[in-house]
Amino acid sequence: GAVVSQHPSWVICKSGTSVKIECRSLDFQATTMFWYRQFPKQSLMLMATSNEGSKATYEQGVEKDKFLINHASLTLSTLTVTSAHPEDSSFYICSAEGGQRSNQPQHFGDGTRLSIL
Amino acid sequence: AQSVTQPDIHITVSEGASLELRCNYSYGATPYLFWYVQSPGQGLQLLLKYFSGDTLVQGIKGFEAEFKRSQSSFNLRKPSVHWSDAAEYFCAVGPFGNEKLTFGTGTRLTIIP
Repeated sequence: GAVVSQHPSWVICKSGTSVKIECRSLDFQATTMFWYRQFPKQSLMLMATSNEGSKATYEQGVEKDKFLINHASLTLSTLTVTSAHPEDSSFYICSAEGGQRSNQPQHFGDGTRLSIL
Repeated sequence: AQSVTQPDIHITVSEGASLELRCNYSYGATPYLFWYVQSPGQGLQLLLKYFSGDTLVQGIKGFEAEFKRSQSSFNLRKPSVHWSDAAEYFCAVGPFGNEKLTFGTGTRLTIIP
């Protein structure tokens, strides 16, 4: 089945640093990738929709300068949390949708737990 | 606007007992409905999905769900749970084409011996 790889799975860093999270579709071409944020014991909140070769579409309330998204190829999207602060600590999950519009579901990565000290 | 309600935050069932997790949705058009399962610290795994056709859909791990348009519900069921089913379960709704899924708040399932 379709596999989405997310890296790193866990990162701890100091306040003020930038952190890059990668999301790769391993066995299909992902025309669209999604980035979600999940707070402890809460649901997934869509942050942005990323289309290959174009700018990401951010959801209302998400700072695009804070959360930089790049979808440089059909198999890779990256989320960079710039100048991270403790309030950015969260579980970030990506998903990928492949091919033309169909009933193909989103395939999710295993998530990245980000802890900012 | 689309929305999903999962009324039960936490459910505890005995191993071997039957399970039903509730999901109600609000959507202006024909919904595309999903159930996902999330183990601690991991991503989401698709259990099953519904768009059209038979309103009773079968998924992986012995789960099934029934779409009831009149009740705007898509409840997840399993006749006999296993300890490995303990996890967080999310119902989601979206348009055909799968963009912008809206997730419910999740139901945490605990299995007791």
